[in-house]
Amino acid sequence: DAGVIQSPRHEVTEMGQEVTLRCKPISGHDYLFWYRQTMMRGLELLIYFNNNVPIDDSGMPEDRFSAKMPNASFSTLKIQPSEPRDSAVYFCASSLALGEWHEQFFGPGTRLTVL
Amino acid sequence: QKEVEQNSGPLSVPEGAIASLNCTYSDRGSQSFFWYRQYSGKSPELIMSIYSNGDKEDGRFTAQLNKASQYVSLLIRDSQPSDSATYLCAVTSTGGGNKLTFGTGTQLKVEL
Repeated sequence: DAGVIQSPRHEVTEMGQEVTLRCKPISGHDYLFWYRQTMMRGLELLIYFNNNVPIDDSGMPEDRFSAKMPNASFSTLKIQPSEPRDSAVYFCASSLALGEWHEQFFGPGTRLTVL
Repeated sequence: QKEVEQNSGPLSVPEGAIASLNCTYSDRGSQSFFWYRQYSGKSPELIMSIYSNGDKEDGRFTAQLNKASQYVSLLIRDSQPSDSATYLCAVTSTGGGNKLTFGTGTQLKVEL
């Protein structure tokens, strides 16, 4: 299995531009998570999906952020317009939920820099 | 008050020593607890999970859970330089399904 796949791995953009991050979860996993990691705030959950349906988006910082999961094998996180404070590493993770077992497998991350 | 608290470190231990990493959490309803290891520039990877009070051992790693004190710890025996990383504590939320809340992590440095 290829694991969770994210693209691009690095993104440098200018303030005000639209940014789209992409994620392909592990086949068969029914949960997908988007996280943001910064030195100051650590790893923060932005939104998660179960069977392609958004369950909790309380971590999405503001309306500039949106996420979609049109099918079981693809999700996007969009920032429009981007701002310098959005600079961070964005991780996508996926998991099964079997009883107590909730291991989340993380993708390699997208390092976003907004100038 | 943060939901999951960890000392940011760095925690420095000599090679071969025991490293002790600690984590406290605020949600009394939390049921599942995880330790993730994250090397610099890499993604987090799960190394231990624990669900019941007491100790759980896996090789050189031991996770300890005390729900009454809302405390979870990770012991690494015979620490190796390859253990140098940031260790993230993660906790499930009451009624949160598969949602995890992470601490900010403790940086561990194992010195030769």
